Amino acid sequence: SQQGEEDPQALSIQEGENATMNCSYKTSINNLQWYRQNSGRGLVHLILIRSNEREKHSGRLRVTLDTSKKSSSLLITASRAADTASYFCATDGYRGSTLGRLYFGRGTQLTVWP
Amino acid sequence: IAGITQAPTSQILAAGRRMTLRCTQDMRHNAMYWYRQDLGLGLRLIHYSNTAGTTGKGEVPDGYSVSRANTDDFPLTLASAVPSQTSVYFCASRDNYNEQFFGPGTRLTVL
Repeated sequence: SQQGEEDPQALSIQEGENATMNCSYKTSINNLQWYRQNSGRGLVHLILIRSNEREKHSGRLRVTLDTSKKSSSLLITASRAADTASYFCATDGYRGSTLGRLYFGRGTQLTVWP
Repeated sequence: IAGITQAPTSQILAAGRRMTLRCTQDMRHNAMYWYRQDLGLGLRLIHYSNTAGTTGKGEVPDGYSVSRANTDDFPLTLASAVPSQTSVYFCASRDNYNEQFFGPGTRLTVL
């Protein structure tokens, strides 16, 4: 399966702390993406990192990618209660008919306490 | 319309009934997708369409069908609903940078 797997399944921290979530995958990729889902809502795209990139930043988000280990991490710095959500990594189909399709992991549920 | 809309928001359906979930986007994206989300299983792809007039099967296509008559609409049909199709269904479209945009979801309960 190309599905990514997030770790941990659940993470609980205090406001102001950093939150780190990890994702591992099994096959070659063109890019890896992170999405956020608030309870009862659809997924929202956070950041995309290409296979030739090692690190990417967007605001308080920092994503790393290690293609040799087939893993990625999402770091949220100075977390806020509003960051409470589920976070999913998604890998893309690599070639042919699967190109452009995304394979999602089961997600990490992040809870940030005020 | 801004982005992707789905209808209905939620539905309770008797087993054996036919149901069509609607999805419309106004971003002129070529590729569209239907996922189902179940607790502990994440999102699983049901069907996809790379462009109007074409469709393909995802990971869990059985019991579902789709059509793509035009760029904007991508309806998902359950021909004869079963309780295992109780789930939250998300429609998505993909832009040229591979980012997917999701609708708000349809919560379907099959009794």
